[in-house]
Amino acid sequence: NAGVTQTPKFRVLKTGQSMTLLCAQDMNHEYMYWYRQDPGMGLRLIHYSVGEGTTAKGEVPDGYNVSRLKKQNFLLGLESAAPSQTSVYFCASSVTGEQYFGPGTRLTVT
Amino acid sequence: GEDVEQSLFLSVREGDSSVINCTYTDSSSTYLYWYKQEPGAGLQLLTYIFSNMDMKQDQRLTVLLNKKDKHLSLRIADTQTGDSAIYFCAESFTGGGNKLTFGTGTQLKVEL
Repeated sequence: NAGVTQTPKFRVLKTGQSMTLLCAQDMNHEYMYWYRQDPGMGLRLIHYSVGEGTTAKGEVPDGYNVSRLKKQNFLLGLESAAPSQTSVYFCASSVTGEQYFGPGTRLTVT
Repeated sequence: GEDVEQSLFLSVREGDSSVINCTYTDSSSTYLYWYKQEPGAGLQLLTYIFSNMDMKQDQRLTVLLNKKDKHLSLRIADTQTGDSAIYFCAESFTGGGNKLTFGTGTQLKVEL
């Protein structure tokens, strides 16, 4: 039982490039979330999903897209990366209020 | 929207008690959580409290909730160097995807 995994762990992008972050969970959780963490700002919700095939916007959705084609996977896409998207990205999943977090992806956009 | 505030830093000596405070503005929260984040890692749930409780104890951890003042605190007894981390409080709400609103985090440093 791996819990929540994220790939890649690190990535450096140039401005304008695109990429997809993958989150996978093996706990059969309905809910999944993408957050970004920036110094002094806690975690801010980007997008979330309440089940396979559904997605919804969180607090800071601009510049990101998501997809939940399979229950166990939640993908976060950046179509045209900007330096303001330099951050640490966390995925989480839950079945009740308690959320289980992945180890994070550190993204740098130059 | 909801706002959850924490002080940024706390420094204590090993063996002392640590008290980390959190204030929130939305009184409709159902559960309040404390998460711990060690360097380079994701967040790990420490404990939680239901909004109709005012205290919960779990080994070295004591959570106090004052709903009137919208104040939540986490007390760590006999603080150890392994407790050095960032601590986040978070509140959740019924419905709406079980979303959490996180505080800004408190960096706890435990000195020998």
